[in-house]
Amino acid sequence: GAGVSQSPSNKVTEKGKDVELRCDPISGHTALYWYRQRLGQGLEFLIYFQGNSAPDKSGLPSDRFSAERTGESVSTLTIQRTQQEDSAVYLCASSQTPGGRTSAIHNEQFFGPGTRLTVL
Amino acid sequence: AQSVAQPEDQVNVAEGNPLTVKCTYSVSGNPYLFWYVQYPNRGLQFLLKYITGDNLVKGSYGFEAEFNKSQTSFHLKKPSALVSDSALYFCAVRVGNYGQNFVFGPGTRLSVLP
Repeated sequence: GAGVSQSPSNKVTEKGKDVELRCDPISGHTALYWYRQRLGQGLEFLIYFQGNSAPDKSGLPSDRFSAERTGESVSTLTIQRTQQEDSAVYLCASSQTPGGRTSAIHNEQFFGPGTRLTVL
Repeated sequence: AQSVAQPEDQVNVAEGNPLTVKCTYSVSGNPYLFWYVQYPNRGLQFLLKYITGDNLVKGSYGFEAEFNKSQTSFHLKKPSALVSDSALYFCAVRVGNYGQNFVFGPGTRLSVLP
């Protein structure tokens, strides 16, 4: 079946512009995560969506960052007034939540290929 | 707060030799532990996980990891390294049933030398 997809795969933008990154999770996965990975560094948690619950936004680095998710499907991460330090790979992941029918994949996250954002 | 440490930024091993990538964690409650691998120019891939049961977990590509509760460790191992194993490895921990408690370590770069 299809995995997590992200678009665009690469985005080059000018400082001060807004960008929108898209994530399509695996169908049926109720949990969705966004992470940021700067060059040579680990994953930095940004935001988490779980079903219709209020998202956990505790990882968003500033109010220039926001994300939305429509039900249990597509999510969009928006960065306003981009800065050079926003340059990174933005990763999306989805997972089946505990209690789901597919217990074989209980808890693990499936990652998309990422969007490489370059702010000039 | 839960945390994950990978004490080595870089691990070098000769092809054919055993490899170990270290991970220690700090959580309150029972941990769910994971290893992910990131190959160059590719996304993260799940390798293995420990949820409960046997402390030795076997995963993809011949990797295994041993959960040690007393040492709060979950080291990744492979008996015989391949050059193709060269990649960035991430240990992660999840506590309880809420996804926001999913914490990744900083990553360890493994280089397998021919």
